Amino acid sequence: GAGVSQSPSNKVTEKGKDVELRCDPISGHTALYWYRQSLGQGLEFLIYFQGNSAPDKSGLPSDRFSAERTGGSVSTLTIQRTQQEDSAVYLCASSLGGLPTYEQYFGPGTRLTVT
Amino acid sequence: KQEVTQIPAALSVPEGENLVLNCSFTDSAIYNLQWFRQDPGKGLTSLLLIQSSQREQTSGRLNASLDKSSGRSTLYIAASQPGDSATYLCAVSGRGSTLGRLYFGRGTQLTVWP
Repeated sequence: GAGVSQSPSNKVTEKGKDVELRCDPISGHTALYWYRQSLGQGLEFLIYFQGNSAPDKSGLPSDRFSAERTGGSVSTLTIQRTQQEDSAVYLCASSLGGLPTYEQYFGPGTRLTVT
Repeated sequence: KQEVTQIPAALSVPEGENLVLNCSFTDSAIYNLQWFRQDPGKGLTSLLLIQSSQREQTSGRLNASLDKSSGRSTLYIAASQPGDSATYLCAVSGRGSTLGRLYFGRGTQLTVWP
């Protein structure tokens, strides 16, 4: 079946602009995660959605970052007033349930470059 | 805060060698541990998932072990092939207030040459 998809695959934007990154999880997966992979850094957790529960936003690095998940499926990560340090690969993952017993399946990522 | 370390950072071996990748974590209160493979420009592919109650998992030429009390895991790759060249990432899942999130190491970049 179809895996996790993300769009766009690449995004170049000017400093100060807003960007939206999209994630389509695997159908039927109730949990959705966003991670960021910066050059030379490991992947860091950003935000986690599970069903209708309030999302865990504790990994978002600043209030310029926000995310929503509509209808329990597609998610959008928004970065306002982008800065050069926001340049990274943003990865989305989904899993069948919220418990960690379920594997997380990752999308190909969106490479964001802020000039 | 959970810290995950992977050693070595890079490894270059000839085809056919058996090799071991190491992962350590500072907080043993994990739910499970996962090994991933990442190819350049691509997302992560899950290789093995070990629940905290398990000691090891095997898939084909891959075997992963977990010693939760000492905060260590190893990924053993038998009879390595050039197609195994990739970055291997170790991740542990949190418990309690951090349930659901994965904590990643920086990876081991593996090159297998013919």
